[in-house]
Amino acid sequence: DAGVIQSPRHEVTEMGQEVTLRCKPISGHDYLFWYRQTMMRGLELLIYFNNNVPIDDSGMPEDRFSAKMPNASFSTLKIQPSEPRDSAVYFCASSQNPGQGEKLFFGSGTQLSVL
Amino acid sequence: AQSVTQLGSHVSVSEGALVLLRCNYSSSVPPYLFWYVQYPNQGLQLLLKYTTGATLVKGINGFEAEFKKSETSFHLTKPSAHMSDAAEYFCAVKGFNDYKLSFGAGTTVTVRA
Repeated sequence: DAGVIQSPRHEVTEMGQEVTLRCKPISGHDYLFWYRQTMMRGLELLIYFNNNVPIDDSGMPEDRFSAKMPNASFSTLKIQPSEPRDSAVYFCASSQNPGQGEKLFFGSGTQLSVL
Repeated sequence: AQSVTQLGSHVSVSEGALVLLRCNYSSSVPPYLFWYVQYPNQGLQLLLKYTTGATLVKGINGFEAEFKKSETSFHLTKPSAHMSDAAEYFCAVKGFNDYKLSFGAGTTVTVRA
């Protein structure tokens, strides 16, 4: 398996533009997580899905952020409109059964810079 | 709710010396505890985890950690540091049957030749 695949690896955009980050989880993993990593706040959980259904989005910072999982092999995180304070590394992770202690498999992340 | 505190944001060790990274947790339920490692420009990888059973757990690359309930700690150790151990290390906690993992702020390890 190729692991969790995220695209793009780097995204540079201007304030006000729409940004879409993409994630392909590992096949067979029922759980998908979106994390954001910044120097100031560390790793924050934004949202997670179980069987393509959003379960907890309490970490999504504002209505400008939205996430979807239209099928078991694809998820998107969208920011519209983007702001400079959204600059961070966004990670996608998947797991078979995190409730029982199964590990998370992380993608390589998307480095987002909003100018 | 669960949380972790990692003591020391940066640790510098000599090659061959002991690596000790400290993690204390807070949990209202029996915790599951994890250590993840992040190499530059990569995602996090699991080093080891404690769920139940033996309190001393061994992980990859020669790392081990001991769950001490009385001290609410889960410190990570490696007897002899290697240059390849230079990375950022994250302690994480969740409650039994929780799905959300809470990460510490991370500790950056540098290894001196």
